[in-house]
Amino acid sequence: QVQLVESGGGVVQSGRSLRLSCAASRFTFSSYGIHWVRQAPGKGLEWVAFISYDGSNKYYADSVKGRFTISRDNSKNTLYMQMNSLRGEDTAVYYCAKSASGYSSSWYDHWGQGTLVTVSS
Amino acid sequence: EIVMTQSPATLSVSPGERATLSCRASQSISSNLAWYQQKPGQAPRLLIYGASTRATGIPARFSGSGSGTEFTLTISSLQSEDFAVYYCQQYNNWPQTFGQGTKVEIK
Repeated sequence: QVQLVESGGGVVQSGRSLRLSCAASRFTFSSYGIHWVRQAPGKGLEWVAFISYDGSNKYYADSVKGRFTISRDNSKNTLYMQMNSLRGEDTAVYYCAKSASGYSSSWYDHWGQGTLVTVSS
Repeated sequence: EIVMTQSPATLSVSPGERATLSCRASQSISSNLAWYQQKPGQAPRLLIYGASTRATGIPARFSGSGSGTEFTLTISSLQSEDFAVYYCQQYNNWPQTFGQGTKVEIK
């Protein structure tokens, strides 16, 4: 069974940085695109970023563009998100989600359990 | 950005009854639509992709239909484990977008 395990969440002050990780197993990580999706407390789902199977293609939501950077290390089966200049509105549970496709826009067939990021003022 | 609008926000249904959830896109997305189920404290789970294809392991009581801008998720006979929040998602264009969710609660 596909496994995605997020880590790196915590409480951080506004304006500071944080790096999230997502460790993948039980599938060929290097063949699939991966997304970050977040969910603010009590709110709905918001797509954040996508990286293609080889890291050559990346997309970001406008709300994080220029502040967040998605990357991956296929040798370690791990996805990352570097989050800089954090704001209160970035407070959310962050999920990594496996794309059904390697490169193009697609649905998410597996999700991690999420990691909570809390940005305090 | 494509706006996804789900209705109703909350649906009260008795166990064994049918539930019909709607999702509308602000422009045509062909059949590039997925549905997810989320229970409290859990990650979302894929139910439907391609507007009408059930994901692996999803019971036949879940069905999806529609294309273009109008989509429907139907749960033919609600079981206790089906009370949850349901989200639609379009993946036709970047940025991918979700509806705001429909909560299916016990009547």
